Amino acid sequence: AQKVTQAQTEISVVEKEDVTLDCVYETRDTTYYLFWYKQPPSGELVFLIRRNSFDEQNEISGRYSWNFQKSTSSFNFTITASQVVDSAVYFCALSEGPYGNNRLAFGKGNQVVVIP
Amino acid sequence: GAVVSQHPSRVICKSGTSVKIECRSLDFQATTMFWYRQFPKQSLMLMATSNEGSKATYEQGVEKDKFLINHASLTLSTLTVTSAHPEDSSFYICSARDLATPENIQYFGAGTRLSVL
Repeated sequence: AQKVTQAQTEISVVEKEDVTLDCVYETRDTTYYLFWYKQPPSGELVFLIRRNSFDEQNEISGRYSWNFQKSTSSFNFTITASQVVDSAVYFCALSEGPYGNNRLAFGKGNQVVVIP
Repeated sequence: GAVVSQHPSRVICKSGTSVKIECRSLDFQATTMFWYRQFPKQSLMLMATSNEGSKATYEQGVEKDKFLINHASLTLSTLTVTSAHPEDSSFYICSARDLATPENIQYFGAGTRLSVL
């Protein structure tokens, strides 16, 4: 069974501070995909990143960066110099299988509140 | 990225009525769509996998007669909540898988907030 744990439920930061969201996953598959999605107050889920189990390179996209550590089964997400528009719920998700197109198992989400 | 349109965005109905929610992939074909349910401040729980031209696959504990899914074309899946009751009030969100892209990512609709009085 696949499982995703996001321990921090709500995180408040002052604008321009960095914030790191932890994601720990469990799977018996050797091939799997990890995702991060953003859910702003409007409700829709916005895709942020997809990473397969064979690619442990860290990634940076603007103010976002991701750290994939297979040894600790973690896929952490950092927002640098946070802005008010970053206030949202962020979900980490896992998909097992070779193509990452199977059902997604979501973590409980991290509510990020950026205080101006 | 690909666009998934979900309608209506919000619906309020009386107990006992049925509500239909549409999920459309606007610029790509989706042989598979997914339906999720999200309670306030909770995570998304997969309800069912909708396959074009065949019966949907429901997750354990989800009543297929209660939540009817129809995926009649490559761009449209519908979820009908039959004889809705207050406990069905929730946020329903669909996603569609774009098989044409190498990343094969699920794109989500904006969700439907259902309130049953």
